[in-house]
Amino acid sequence: DAKTTQPPSMDCAEGRAANLPCNHSTISGNEYVYWYRQIHSQGPQYIIHGLKNNETNEMASLIITEDRKSSTLILPHATLRDTAVYYCIVSGNQFYFGTGTSLTVIP
Amino acid sequence: EPEVTQTPSHQVTQMGQEVILRCVPISNHLYFYWYRQILGQKVEFLVSFYNNEISEKSEIFDDQFSVERPDGSNFTLKIRSTKLEDSAMYFCASKVSTGGFVNQPQHFGDGTRLSIL
Repeated sequence: DAKTTQPPSMDCAEGRAANLPCNHSTISGNEYVYWYRQIHSQGPQYIIHGLKNNETNEMASLIITEDRKSSTLILPHATLRDTAVYYCIVSGNQFYFGTGTSLTVIP
Repeated sequence: EPEVTQTPSHQVTQMGQEVILRCVPISNHLYFYWYRQILGQKVEFLVSFYNNEISEKSEIFDDQFSVERPDGSNFTLKIRSTKLEDSAMYFCASKVSTGGFVNQPQHFGDGTRLSIL
């Protein structure tokens, strides 16, 4: 079963930062936090992952709390194409997906 | 950028028939996975495969399912006798193997939509 809790839906204005929270209070010491998104019925698309340090790439930033019990995915300037379901996954190997957060970017 | 490719994109099969879903993982990847997503539901893990054997499988992956890496490039999922409830999107994923393989992300294909009539 998924070890994460995410809000079911969020809205964000186009051009603004989208901050998507995730709780993973039972995360183990060797488990990473991964973020994926799924647009319509396409395959999940990898966004970013981290263990305990904050991470940034060309798509997003990942902020992980010091106790590792929660994290936030930040899309710095949301566009309409960022409308998708976003999944936070805690994993050592195979992924157990939750229901994710349905992000709608509003013009 | 290298991609995981899946064929066919849509497969329609009569109930009780065998079906084989095909995947070509990214070429230097050594860990392979199948997931499924029933319409409107979560993505569910089916099986992971490494070094020519199943490493982990879920309760969904019963005796009707099998996986194979028949050559150096393909990774297949076979459903022996399909049921109506097997109708779903099936996603293949792969992951590179390095010294620290645990922290590598999986890369997913765009799936095969399986429709059982």
